[in-house]
Amino acid sequence: SAVISQKPSRDICQRGTSLTIQCQVDSQVTMMFWYRQQPGQSLTLIATANQGSEATYESGFVIDKFPISRPNLTFSTLTVSNMSPEDSSIYLCSLRTGIGTEAFFGQGTRLTVV
Amino acid sequence: QKEVEQNSGPLSVPEGAIASLNCTYSDRGSQSFFWYRQYSGKSPELIMSIYSNGDKEDGRFTAQLNKASQYVSLLIRDSQPSDSATYLCAGFSGGYNKLIFGAGTRLAVHP
Repeated sequence: SAVISQKPSRDICQRGTSLTIQCQVDSQVTMMFWYRQQPGQSLTLIATANQGSEATYESGFVIDKFPISRPNLTFSTLTVSNMSPEDSSIYLCSLRTGIGTEAFFGQGTRLTVV
Repeated sequence: QKEVEQNSGPLSVPEGAIASLNCTYSDRGSQSFFWYRQYSGKSPELIMSIYSNGDKEDGRFTAQLNKASQYVSLLIRDSQPSDSATYLCAGFSGGYNKLIFGAGTRLAVHP
């Protein structure tokens, strides 16, 4: 299976600032996604990162708050903008190799906003 | 209504026992289901996938799917303390693009 490298692994940020999380895959993949896992909660899909076009956001998530880039089939970034303490979560990059197949996850980014 | 539901637990079993984890889903069109294990502070790790009705066995793990009852389960035989983790059930919603997760069941295996 593909190797997913996500960074940073953790960060502590001041409210009002932005953080960009990077996700690098060692092979080309069609489907990449970003999830959020709030403390003690399960995974919530933020958006599908579409190569060469705007991301597809789930209900409750907007591009201004979570801009996503996907310049090619091996790389994506998620930015958490104008952060507040409520954004403190683990953010996970995910990929799937085909329609209806399982998801694989990066190591996650543990974000704390103070 | 949550689309994938799990009992959050904790489920506590003695070492060597069978742990039974359950999940129900609402999208009758869902065809593929997955079980993930997540250790504290780590990302989810795929342990089983199941696509058709019936049982699928892999080592100490057996996944069961009943599409008529919209029910998925995971059995862990000979449970070990190292199995102590949160187990997440996942399935597709509204087609094959959106993979959604249940709340997770916390399993504790005690010696």
